[in-house]
Amino acid sequence: KAGVTQTPRYLIKTRGQQVTLSCSPISGHRSVSWYQQTPGQGLQFLFEYFSETQRNKGNFPGRFSGRQFSNSRSEMNVSTLELGDSALYLCASSLESTPSYEQYFGPGTRLTVT
Amino acid sequence: GDSVTQMEGPVTLSEEAFLTINCTYTATGYPSLFWYVQYPGEGLQLLLKATKADDKGSNKGFEATYRKETTSFHLEKGSVQVSDSAVYFCALKAGANNLFFGTGTRLTVIP
Repeated sequence: KAGVTQTPRYLIKTRGQQVTLSCSPISGHRSVSWYQQTPGQGLQFLFEYFSETQRNKGNFPGRFSGRQFSNSRSEMNVSTLELGDSALYLCASSLESTPSYEQYFGPGTRLTVT
Repeated sequence: GDSVTQMEGPVTLSEEAFLTINCTYTATGYPSLFWYVQYPGEGLQLLLKATKADDKGSNKGFEATYRKETTSFHLEKGSVQVSDSAVYFCALKAGANNLFFGTGTRLTVIP
């Protein structure tokens, strides 16, 4: 079974631009979560989507948004990029939206904002 | 709130040495606990998990026991290999389906 895939793997953007990242979960998984990883703040939860609905949201500004499609694929969008948004963005999928299910991570999208 | 405190690194060990990476947590209720590993340039891989007190998670020679009385989930391995060099993250889930991570511990194993 294929793992979680994320596209693109690398991205360079300029301050003020917006960006869209894509995540395809493991087949059959209905929950998709997004995390931001930076050297300073570590791994932080952005949001979770389940059955096309946002179930949970971390403490990030409204510039960060996401959505999920009927096939469980998910996208996250960051508008008005800032230098501090440079990070590795990780997507994780799980079968259901309950704590006892493992989350499986993709390889990440490394975003650089210049 | 929920949080994970993890042993600061980096940790450097010789091959076949014993490994312990300490992890303690604060959470309401009864969290599920996880160890993830991140190899250079890659995403996170689930190493092991435990979902209730006294459970022992194990995988690839690594073990961790869920200790409710000490709120700990320390990672151990009896004999590390060069291929174990990576960053290790302790994490928990409590109530909702999102992970709270520790800061990560970088392990380097030298031949």
